[in-house]
Amino acid sequence: AQKITQTQPGMFVQEKEAVTLDCTYDTSDPSYGLFWYKQPSSGEMIFLIYQGSYDQQNATEGRYSLNFQKARKSANLVISASQLGDSAMYFCAMRGRGGSNYKLTFGKGTLLTVNP
Amino acid sequence: DVKVTQSSRYLVKRTGEKVFLECVQDMDHENMFWYRQDPGLGLRLIYFSYDVKMKEKGDIPEGYSVSREKKERFSLILESASTNQTSMYLCASKSGGDTGELFFGEGSRLTVL
Repeated sequence: AQKITQTQPGMFVQEKEAVTLDCTYDTSDPSYGLFWYKQPSSGEMIFLIYQGSYDQQNATEGRYSLNFQKARKSANLVISASQLGDSAMYFCAMRGRGGSNYKLTFGKGTLLTVNP
Repeated sequence: DVKVTQSSRYLVKRTGEKVFLECVQDMDHENMFWYRQDPGLGLRLIYFSYDVKMKEKGDIPEGYSVSREKKERFSLILESASTNQTSMYLCASKSGGDTGELFFGEGSRLTVL
């Protein structure tokens, strides 16, 4: 079974500072993918970044980077130079292969508030 | 632009009513999903489908059924709505294969009185 744990229900950061949102996972699948999604107050789910379990490099997309530590089973999201528009709920998710190939399991989310 | 459309943004139903939530995608995706989102619980998978007429139970299928008669349409059915099914329902789709993200609809907020 797959499990995603986000231990920070809420986080606060000052505008222009960097912030790390934690995500740990558990799976017995040898191959898997990790995702981060953003959900602003408007409700839409916005895909941010993807990391494959065999990817050698940490994924980056603009101000977003994924700090992937496979041995520790962690996939933390780092947002650099926070902006007010980054205030949102952030979800970590994992897709496994085999019997759960098409299934994404989500964490409970972290509510990020960026202060001016 | 890719698009996942959920038929209703807001619904109010009474206990015991049959409820249909419709989802249509225009990306020719093989895979479609229904999640429910509740505060403090994140997104939980109800059902998913990897092909027309094919479906699999997710983590919380009890009280729900689904239908996928055409590739672009995935319906969630509450046979007899109950108050504990008051929630936000999110539909998503994904192309086949191991890579690629989910594309989500805007959500349907269901209130069961």
